[in-house]
Amino acid sequence: NAGVTQTPKFRVLKTGQSMTLLCAQDMNHEYMYWYRQDPGMGLRLIHYSVGEGTTAKGEVPDGYNVSRLKKQNFLLGLESAAPSQTSVYFCASSYRVRDGYTFGSGTRLTVV
Amino acid sequence: SQQGEEDPQALSIQEGENATMNCSYKTSINNLQWYRQNSGRGLVHLILIRSNEREKHSGRLRVTLDTSKKSSSLLITASRAADTASYFCATDVTNQGAQKLVFGQGTRLTINP
Repeated sequence: NAGVTQTPKFRVLKTGQSMTLLCAQDMNHEYMYWYRQDPGMGLRLIHYSVGEGTTAKGEVPDGYNVSRLKKQNFLLGLESAAPSQTSVYFCASSYRVRDGYTFGSGTRLTVV
Repeated sequence: SQQGEEDPQALSIQEGENATMNCSYKTSINNLQWYRQNSGRGLVHLILIRSNEREKHSGRLRVTLDTSKKSSSLLITASRAADTASYFCATDVTNQGAQKLVFGQGTRLTINP
């Protein structure tokens, strides 16, 4: 049982480039989330999904898009990367809306 | 401003001592959760306490919740070097009909051998 898997683990982008971060969970969880973690800011919710085919904006959605075409996958896209998007990105999932979350190990993204 | 704020921001104690971390929040909650994050890793769920509960135990962890003061504490007893990590409280809130988990900035705990 792998839990939540994030790929890639590290990435360096140039300003203006695009990329997609993949999150996959094998626990049949309905709910999936994307957070970013910055020093002194804690974790901030970017987008989330309450089920296959649904997405919703979180606290800091600007500059990101998401898709949940399959229940087990939640993709986070950066269309035109900016240095302000340098961060560590975490995906999480939960079975029910008020359960504890299972987190992936993170993607460290640097935009230069 | 943050929904959940941990105090202290950093804590350093000797192995074997107890560690207490506090969390304060601003709005009503459905539940409050504590997570641990080891350096360079993802967060790991430790314990969840519901809004109608006052105290919960899990191994060496003890969590209390005081909804009248909008605060929670996490006590780690008989600390070990492996407990060195950052600890986050997260409040489960319903905002505009949507449930969200809002994290504080964390307490960095160092256990000295």
